[in-house]
Amino acid sequence: AQKITQTQPGMFVQEKEAVTLDCTYDTSDQSYGLFWYKQPSSGEMIFLIYQGSYDEQNATEGRYSLNFQKARKSANLVISASQLGDSAMYFCAMSLSPFTGGGNKLTFGTGTQLKVEL
Amino acid sequence: DAGVIQSPRHEVTEMGQEVTLRCKPISGHNSLFWYRQTMMRGLELLIYFNNNVPIDDSGMPEDRFSAKMPNASFSTLKIQPSEPRDSAVYFCASNPGTSGRGRNEQYFGPGTRLTVT
Repeated sequence: AQKITQTQPGMFVQEKEAVTLDCTYDTSDQSYGLFWYKQPSSGEMIFLIYQGSYDEQNATEGRYSLNFQKARKSANLVISASQLGDSAMYFCAMSLSPFTGGGNKLTFGTGTQLKVEL
Repeated sequence: DAGVIQSPRHEVTEMGQEVTLRCKPISGHNSLFWYRQTMMRGLELLIYFNNNVPIDDSGMPEDRFSAKMPNASFSTLKIQPSEPRDSAVYFCASNPGTSGRGRNEQYFGPGTRLTVT
């Protein structure tokens, strides 16, 4: 069974600084996908970024990048130039077999609460 | 697109009552997922459907919970009878299916906040 570990319950960062949110995963499968979601205080779950296990380059989406280190089984989220609106809970998640598409369930970590300060 | 639609957004009910949560996935998505979020257990998958067929219901906590997907545009999660420990936020999510890049991110609805007193 797969497992996601997020060891930082809470993080603080100053506005305009970069921040790294840690995520490690455990699976014996070779084919999997890694995701990050943002949950602001309003409660919705917002998809941020995806990394496939066979992707050779780290994923980037605007100010978000995923530092994927396969041998270490880590998939850290880097947010550059933090903004006050980035304050939220961030979840790392994994699914197996991304290449089959559809029907793959997500296993979530416990989340990291990020607070951006002036 | 309107995104995943869930109703009601908030539900307060008394213990023992039946509760029905509703979800409309994004048009064209072929997989639908029901999750529950609590402080104690975090986000956990209850059940998911692929092409309207239940694939994995191992996360459904007990027989009081049931889910249906009668067609591609509608699903329900029913709790009968409800108990205070069922209080949680229930999310519905849908998946766009196979794509050229093989990514399969799920798009979440706004959630239903259920309180059972």
